[in-house]
Amino acid sequence: ELKVEQNPLFLSMQEGKNYTIYCNYSTTSDRLYWYRQDPGKSLESLFVLLSNGAVKQEGRLMASLDTKARLSTLHITAAVHDLSATYFCAVDPFGNQFYFGTGTSLTVIP
Amino acid sequence: EAGVAQSPRYKIIEKRQSVAFWCNPISGHATLYWYQQILGQGPKLLIQFQNNGVVDDSQLPKDRFSAERLKGVDSTLKIQPAKLEDSAVYLCASSIFWRDNNEQFFGPGTRLTVL
Repeated sequence: ELKVEQNPLFLSMQEGKNYTIYCNYSTTSDRLYWYRQDPGKSLESLFVLLSNGAVKQEGRLMASLDTKARLSTLHITAAVHDLSATYFCAVDPFGNQFYFGTGTSLTVIP
Repeated sequence: EAGVAQSPRYKIIEKRQSVAFWCNPISGHATLYWYQQILGQGPKLLIQFQNNGVVDDSQLPKDRFSAERLKGVDSTLKIQPAKLEDSAVYLCASSIFWRDNNEQFFGPGTRLTVL
């Protein structure tokens, strides 16, 4: 059974601090996606990572993919309150279906 | 470019009643997905269509759930009869596979409450 695990599940951090969310998966995949979900809202695409070593950055968020380690990271730099949300990673090992992670609920405290 | 449209946005029904959700994907997207998201969990795939054919419905509770995608565009998801545990958000997503990218775009979802 394919597993996608994120940690931490819950993260409370102060504004201005840095932190990393980890996404581990159990089967080979060269495709990994990060999504953001605000409370009561749908999923918004953040990053598309399509190869080993891929790195994407948007504002205070940076995502990377290590396919050999089966690991993706979402790094948050100098957190602000607007980043409070739940973040999901999803792997697509066969090119036809997403397997979502457990989600990380991030709260940024002023 | 218009996004994925879903309706209704909210629905409250009593158990054993039936309910239907509608989804209109992004124009040109061949693949359409229905997900169930229970509060505090990640989305769970219910059914996946490629054009108007079913690719995967292995997690669809077929005794009560049904879905169709006529003409390969709009899709409907039906629950009959509903149970309390069906209370969830039902998300529709669409994608088009291009240059190894299968990014899915999600609609606003339908929040179902079964009383």
